[in-house]
Amino acid sequence: NAGVTQTPKFQVLKTGQSMTLQCAQDMNHEYMSWYRQDPGMGLRLIHYSVGAGITDQGEVPNGYNVSRSTTEDFPLRLLSAAPSQTSVYFCASSFGTGDGEQFFGPGTRLTVL
Amino acid sequence: GENVEQHPSTLSVQEGDSAVIKCTYSDSASNYFPWYKQELGKRPQLIIDIRSNVGEKKDQRIAVTLNKTAKHFSLHITETQPEDSAVYFCDYGGATNKLIFGTGTLLAVQP
Repeated sequence: NAGVTQTPKFQVLKTGQSMTLQCAQDMNHEYMSWYRQDPGMGLRLIHYSVGAGITDQGEVPNGYNVSRSTTEDFPLRLLSAAPSQTSVYFCASSFGTGDGEQFFGPGTRLTVL
Repeated sequence: GENVEQHPSTLSVQEGDSAVIKCTYSDSASNYFPWYKQELGKRPQLIIDIRSNVGEKKDQRIAVTLNKTAKHFSLHITETQPEDSAVYFCDYGGATNKLIFGTGTLLAVQP
C-alpha cells in the first residue's frame, strides 16, 4: 500500500494564481481531511470529508475549496492564492471519524509570492 | 463543540527525566484519545492512543492516561532520550466530525 500520497511536494505561486493540491489514499478510508501548518505552529483543519460526495468546513476554510468524487481522492483547490496561504499542507485519512488513527501524507510546501 | 487545549507549549527536560503533556477537552462525546509525534520536517505520526473504556495504556517508555471525569488525557514519556525531541500533538473529535488538533508541545531533551 502507498498509504496517503500528496502532489506536488513543493510549489511556488504568484498572488492571484489558482492551483489544486492532490491527495489520494489506497486504504479505503472514509474520512479524509486537509490541514495547514504554518512555521512553528500547529495543525489547523481546513476542510474534511466523511465519505464520497460529502464535504464540510473546518477551522480555516476561507480561500479553499474541496471535492470528494471518489473514496480515494480528496483534492484541495486554492481559488486565488494569497501570501497568507504560504504554509505546509497535510492531507490525512482514517477509517472513521474520531475513532482511529489518522494517516498523514508527506505534505506540500506552498509559497505564495 | 470540539475544543481542546494543550499544555505546556514548550517543555525542556534533561535526558533521563520524565515529560508530561496534557490535553483538556470540552465535551464528552469522543471515545478515542490519540497522541501524535512530529519530527522536524516530517509528517505527524501516531505514537499511542487510548479508548474511553480504559484509564491507562503503556508502550515501553510512553504512556497515555485518561481522566474522563475531569475531561483530560495526558502523554507521559519516561527516561527521555534526545530522539524524543519533537513536537507532540493531541487530537480530539468530540460531538462533531471535525478532528481538531491541540496547539502542540515542543519537547526538547537536553543531553
